[in-house]
Amino acid sequence: TQLLEQSPQFLSIQEGENLTVYCNSSSVFSSLQWYRQEPGEGPVLLVTVVTGGEVKKLKRLTFQFGDARKDSSLHITAAQPGDTGLYLCAGAGNYGQNFVFGPGTRLSVLP
Amino acid sequence: KAGVTQTPRYLIKTRGQQVTLSCSPISGHRSVSWYQQTPGQGLQFLFEYFSETQRNKGNFPGRFSGRQFSNSRSEMNVSTLELGDSALYLCASAFPDSHLNTGELFFGEGSRLTVL
Repeated sequence: TQLLEQSPQFLSIQEGENLTVYCNSSSVFSSLQWYRQEPGEGPVLLVTVVTGGEVKKLKRLTFQFGDARKDSSLHITAAQPGDTGLYLCAGAGNYGQNFVFGPGTRLSVLP
Repeated sequence: KAGVTQTPRYLIKTRGQQVTLSCSPISGHRSVSWYQQTPGQGLQFLFEYFSETQRNKGNFPGRFSGRQFSNSRSEMNVSTLELGDSALYLCASAFPDSHLNTGELFFGEGSRLTVL
């Protein structure tokens, strides 16, 4: 069974600070996705990373996929209150396997 | 383009009852997946339907079942409800086959079930 761990579980920071959240597994994933979920809504895809070592930037968000495709990180620069939410990583295994979700990091950015 | 629609948004049931939840995917999406989300367990995969066939199933008891209709709309049913079934049930649709590796899952807002 493929499992994903995320850390930290909770994070509360002030507006303008930088932060990094992590997604780790002992399994190799063919691709990994990051979603953000806001209260009362379903998760929304932020990015998909496919290649080991890949780095993708989305405005103030930087995503990295580990070389061995077992882990990933999400770095947010100059966090804003609008970044508040539950950040979920999801890994795809072999073709035919559904995504496995991590437990999430709940981020709160205070103004 | 309309998003994924789930009904009902909220419902309260008592132990032993059964419940049916509905999901209408984005037009053109033929894959529909169901997830259970709880604070303790996070997002747990229930099952996935593609072209009216169950293609994948998670580790949930047989009380949890689903089906998909020819128009891709899907329903899930939970029989003999238990207190532990209280959760947010999320439906996600995807383009044919794309979600299995790199495609995007489009989630609905969920159906929040409370079992008393």
